[in-house]
Amino acid sequence: AQTVTQSQPEMSVQEAETVTLSCTYDTSENNYYLFWYKQPPSRQMILVIRQEAYKQQNATENRFSVNFQKAAKSFSLKISDSQLGDTAMYFCAFKLSASGSRLTFGEGTQLTVNP
Amino acid sequence: NAGVMQNPRHLVRRRGQEARLRCSPMKGHSHVYWYRQLPEEGLKFMVYLQKENIIDESGMPKERFSAEFPKEGPSILRIQQVVRGDSAAYFCASSPPIRIYGYTFGSGTRLTVV
Repeated sequence: AQTVTQSQPEMSVQEAETVTLSCTYDTSENNYYLFWYKQPPSRQMILVIRQEAYKQQNATENRFSVNFQKAAKSFSLKISDSQLGDTAMYFCAFKLSASGSRLTFGEGTQLTVNP
Repeated sequence: NAGVMQNPRHLVRRRGQEARLRCSPMKGHSHVYWYRQLPEEGLKFMVYLQKENIIDESGMPKERFSAEFPKEGPSILRIQQVVRGDSAAYFCASSPPIRIYGYTFGSGTRLTVV
């Protein structure tokens, strides 16, 4: 079974600064995907960024980037130039490559961006 | 494309009543997943369905919970004889019938049992 661990229940950052959210996972499989989802107070689950395990290059989406360390089973999210709208719960998630595989989520990190 | 539609958005039930949560997947999506989010926790997988078939229900409680995805109409998550511990947000996600990188989530149904 796969597990996902987010060790930071809460984090805060000043507007315009950079913050990194941590995530580690455990699996014996080699082919999988990793995701970061954002859940604002509206409760909507929004996909922020995804990483294919077979790709060595770290994924980047505008101000969001990841540091994927496959050997260490680590998948951190860096948010640059933080904005007030980034305030949300952030979930790290794991999925095997096979079609129909479930998502396994971490417990989440509540990020607050302060003005 | 209207996205994944869940209704109702909020549902209040008294202990012992039945709760029915509905999920209409995105157009072209034939795979549906249900997740439950207890307060202050992450989402936990419940069940994976395709049209008229339950593929994986390993995350479903053994009693009182059932799910279906008929040939026509939305997927339904049904909770019989609800208890206070069933209070949670229930999310539906859908994906097309090909290898997929991630799912599209609905906005969830918040169930409150009083």
